[in-house]
Amino acid sequence: DAGVTQSPTHLIKTRGQQVTLRCSPKSGHDTVSWYQQALGQGPQFIFQYYEEEERQRGNFPDRFSGHQFPNYSSELNVNALLLGDSALYLCASSYQTGGETQYFGPGTRLLVL
Amino acid sequence: QKEVEQDPGPLSVPEGAIVSLNCTYSNSAFQYFMWYRQYSRKGPELLMYTYSSGNKEDGRFTAQVDKSSKYISLFIRDSQPSDSATYLCAMSANNQGGKLIFGQGTELSVKP
Repeated sequence: DAGVTQSPTHLIKTRGQQVTLRCSPKSGHDTVSWYQQALGQGPQFIFQYYEEEERQRGNFPDRFSGHQFPNYSSELNVNALLLGDSALYLCASSYQTGGETQYFGPGTRLLVL
Repeated sequence: QKEVEQDPGPLSVPEGAIVSLNCTYSNSAFQYFMWYRQYSRKGPELLMYTYSSGNKEDGRFTAQVDKSSKYISLFIRDSQPSDSATYLCAMSANNQGGKLIFGQGTELSVKP
């Protein structure tokens, strides 16, 4: 049973660029949540997707956007990158939006120079 | 004030010790409580999940929730060097649709 997968594993971008990160949920899961984890901090909730719609959003600017596809996979897009966007981006999957039992992928480490 | 407070450590113990990890929180609406383990440069791995108050045991791990004190704990018995990792507490409320609020994480080192 494949767990949550994310791509790419690492990424280096420069300020002002745009980035797209990808996530495939665990088999049987239909909800994807994205988190940002700065070094030495706990993950912070960005947003959640269910039925191809954004259901909840954390305190992140509109530069952060996402998408969910019919096969439940998801993308996270960040525009106009800032140095402070450097972090580990984590995708978590669950069954339906009330699923507190979330399983995380390995993350994408983004470095903005 | 953060919604969830967790001592970042680092915490260093000898192999075989009992480890106690704790979090406090301010939001009385939290009903779901989780502990995740995160190895260096990896994603968090779900260890324990508890709904409302009470205890839950799984092998060497015991999770406790005291809602009256807004305090949760994770105990690790007979700690092993392989337990060396960062431990994150996380919680959510019924009306938050699965939005997890995490503590800062406690870095644990178990010395052989």
